Amino acid sequence: DVVMTQSPLSLPVTLGQPASISCRSSQGLVYSDGNTFLNWFQQRPGQSPRRLIYKVSNRDSGVPDRFSGSGSGTNFTLKISRVEAEDVGVYYCMQGTHWPLTFGGGTKVEIK
Amino acid sequence: EVQLLESGGNLVQPGGSLRLSCAASGFTFSSYGMTWVRQAPGKGLEWVSAIIGGGGGNTWYADSVKGRFTISRDNSKSTVYLEMNSLRADDTAVYYCARSARVMDVWGQGTSVTVSS
Repeated sequence: DVVMTQSPLSLPVTLGQPASISCRSSQGLVYSDGNTFLNWFQQRPGQSPRRLIYKVSNRDSGVPDRFSGSGSGTNFTLKISRVEAEDVGVYYCMQGTHWPLTFGGGTKVEIK
Repeated sequence: EVQLLESGGNLVQPGGSLRLSCAASGFTFSSYGMTWVRQAPGKGLEWVSAIIGGGGGNTWYADSVKGRFTISRDNSKSTVYLEMNSLRADDTAVYYCARSARVMDVWGQGTSVTVSS
């Protein structure tokens, strides 16, 4: 199974400051069709997960442009350029390339 | 509006069975794979099962549920199901359905399953 390792586990951030979450996969995530199925999800307290970024760097409709995804191979990053109060929650990376599909353990973003 | 609505969660005894449903609306259901993801209390997300292709012939399962859970779909009802048998305490979780498997672009609100005597 592909292991997705996120860091840090917890990320206290000052409002208006940047934040960065790392996600590393134990295998490369390029699918046979050339796509890299690395996605990022946000789960606010008490809510269902919501997709933010798909295929490494594509932002979903309605997602603020302060969120960005990057990476390749086995190293991927989610960045928030300026954290706002509504960004509090847990962020998960997930790989959709190899079966079984796997999620990272999550990174909890909180305001200092 | 694209929506997924899960139902069927309940309190069930160990060894019991339950069937979860996920009703879809706002899109051509038969054109999408569907997936189930669960979240145990206070824990992270765990992929459970997926059904790929409109015909439902291609299914995948996490090792933790293989042989006990069965995913299926009824395109005429725009609904995906998760039949859960031989339930154990560690199956206790909120179960979410999501559209597509590889990209999980839309999620439901979840349905709660508690396995306890």
